[in-house]
Amino acid sequence: DTGVSQDPRHKITKRGQNVTFRCDPISEHNRLYWYRQTLGQGPEFLTYFQNEAQLEKSRLLSDRFSAERPKGSFSTLEIQRTEQGDSAMYLCASSLVADTQYFGPGTRLTVL
Amino acid sequence: KNEVEQSPQNLTAQEGEFITINCSYSVGISALHWLQQHPGGGIVSLFMLSSGKKKHGRLIATINIQEKHSSLHITASHPRDSAVYICAVDNFGNEKLTFGTGTRLTIIP
Repeated sequence: DTGVSQDPRHKITKRGQNVTFRCDPISEHNRLYWYRQTLGQGPEFLTYFQNEAQLEKSRLLSDRFSAERPKGSFSTLEIQRTEQGDSAMYLCASSLVADTQYFGPGTRLTVL
Repeated sequence: KNEVEQSPQNLTAQEGEFITINCSYSVGISALHWLQQHPGGGIVSLFMLSSGKKKHGRLIATINIQEKHSSLHITASHPRDSAVYICAVDNFGNEKLTFGTGTRLTIIP
């Protein structure tokens, strides 16, 4: 296993379009986290899963954002009707419960 | 006031210097993490600690729970240490991390 992977690495889209990102965690990890990072800032928590259950969502996650982890393995983060303010790096991390989080390389979203 | 504050925001030093980056937090935590982020975005976890001190190679992390303060030290700094170092805390069993804004470290040969 080579760690957490994310796809795509870069996404450029026009305002109003929908985008979907994928995260593949380390295989035995039951926790999966999504974070968002804007330029010059630290990451901010968006949501996390334990297995297939979504345990918490940040207030940052408007109703245009939805995340799933249908079989407790990979996860998808969808943004509907993208806005320029959604431009950011979207980071995924995985872990065992109460253990170190391992981060993926991120998906950089640019909304034109 | 942010829950996690780091200082300094930027640090430039000569190769070989001893580096200290500080992190203060205002909430109760179960663990504190030090992370390294290189240009391009990849984040690597350096330490996860809840008490005392940990050492890995030239890196040392300490935490004082009573004072709600942690430090990351780099001994014999090298240009390849140039990166953004981020402190993050795990709010009492919540396990979602709250991050500082990072310290940008530049080591000059």
